[in-house]
Amino acid sequence: EVQLLESGGGLVQPGGSLRLSCAASGFTFSSYVMSWVRQAPGKGLEWVSTFSGSADSTYYADSVKGRFTISRDNSKNTLYLQMNSLRAEDTAVYYCAKMGILGVTGAFDIWGQGTMVTVSS
Amino acid sequence: QSVLTQPPSASGTPGQRVTISCSGSSSNIGSNYVYWYQQVPGTAPKLLIYRNNERPSGVPDRFSGSKSGTSASLAISGLRSEDEADYYCAAWDDSLSGHVFGGGTKLTVL
Repeated sequence: EVQLLESGGGLVQPGGSLRLSCAASGFTFSSYVMSWVRQAPGKGLEWVSTFSGSADSTYYADSVKGRFTISRDNSKNTLYLQMNSLRAEDTAVYYCAKMGILGVTGAFDIWGQGTMVTVSS
Repeated sequence: QSVLTQPPSASGTPGQRVTISCSGSSSNIGSNYVYWYQQVPGTAPKLLIYRNNERPSGVPDRFSGSKSGTSASLAISGLRSEDEADYYCAAWDDSLSGHVFGGGTKLTVL
């Protein structure tokens, strides 16, 4: 069974840092593009970042560019999101998502259950 | 303000057909595929439609998607109570070099 399991969420003060992890199983992780999507409480979905396979193939939403860094460890089947200089508006459930066969521009075809990040003093 | 525009709400009675619209621009819907996601409150989103009008395995054929120019729509026929959820359209945006979502449509089955 294809599965994504996020972890690392929690309460952090404004200006702080947090690293999210997403453990993948049930598919050949290294063959697929991976992304992060977030959802603020009571709000809609917002794409955060996509990693296609190399450091020069990363994409970020303007709202997180320069503060967040996406990476992956194919040997551990794990996707990461390093979040620095966190702001109150970054408070959200963060979902890890596997991209479909079209890769970077394709569908988010499998989603994790999400991990909550709360930025507050 | 979302890049893609959806109505905030829609409703229908069991057995009815409802449609949800999604409006974009030439840089997103006009030049890329449209995707639709279903999110039951308290759960993760689920892919419902990909490449404008294709259904993943397991999605009932009551759900269908279409696209014309810079707009797209999701149709649900034979409405059922379990269809009550939030629905989001999405597409890649060439100008932003990123994915964009609609604001979501809350579907109520009366």
